[in-house]
Amino acid sequence: RKEVEQDPGPFNVPEGATVAFNCTYSNSASQSFFWYRQDCRKEPKLLMSVYSSGNEDGRFTAQLNRASQYISLLIRDSKLSDSATYLCVVTLSGSARQLTFGSGTQLTVLP
Amino acid sequence: ETGVTQTPRHLVMGMTNKKSLKCEQHLGHNAMYWYKQSAKKPLELMFVYSLEERVENNSVPSRFSPECPNSSHLFLHLHTLQPEDSALYLCASSSNTGTAEQFFGPGTRLTVL
Repeated sequence: RKEVEQDPGPFNVPEGATVAFNCTYSNSASQSFFWYRQDCRKEPKLLMSVYSSGNEDGRFTAQLNRASQYISLLIRDSKLSDSATYLCVVTLSGSARQLTFGSGTQLTVLP
Repeated sequence: ETGVTQTPRHLVMGMTNKKSLKCEQHLGHNAMYWYKQSAKKPLELMFVYSLEERVENNSVPSRFSPECPNSSHLFLHLHTLQPEDSALYLCASSSNTGTAEQFFGPGTRLTVL
């Protein structure tokens, strides 16, 4: 079983749509959670951290369910510039520097 | 810009060659990382250096040899690689506190013939 599992997609959505990505992690000792974004042929960049209470940053909302070991990312009012691969990332307790990445979910927002 | 640079951006080498990848960070961080990204696979952490000491090494073959001469520079020395080592090699840096954000360089696209 993969440590961090994501639906690879691709998700093709029209501009303005709402899209949700899911991620599950296998290690219950996972401590910190993030979504990174990777544009085509570019490096990954932090999109947002994910907190137990859920958090929002503009059109982006992240949720964490520790009991189900499940993380989600919701993008509202999709823009063309949101097209990218979204990477679910976790760290283990006591190993804050070791990021474990999912394979990513590819999103294309269509005009 | 992330403030993490990598050279070269592209490298083609034969299996008998020796080459080195270079990473430099201008962010004042004191932890640096090497990752491997292969097609359709998640990023794999290879090495972690904190305060110039290697703190994690995820069972990487000895044909990959990291070097961290100071907190701003990180090298990955390559020798007798295999074609399956062809991948994007990404360097990252972070501060040494808690679960600090990692900033990635643009990567070196390596092809082993």
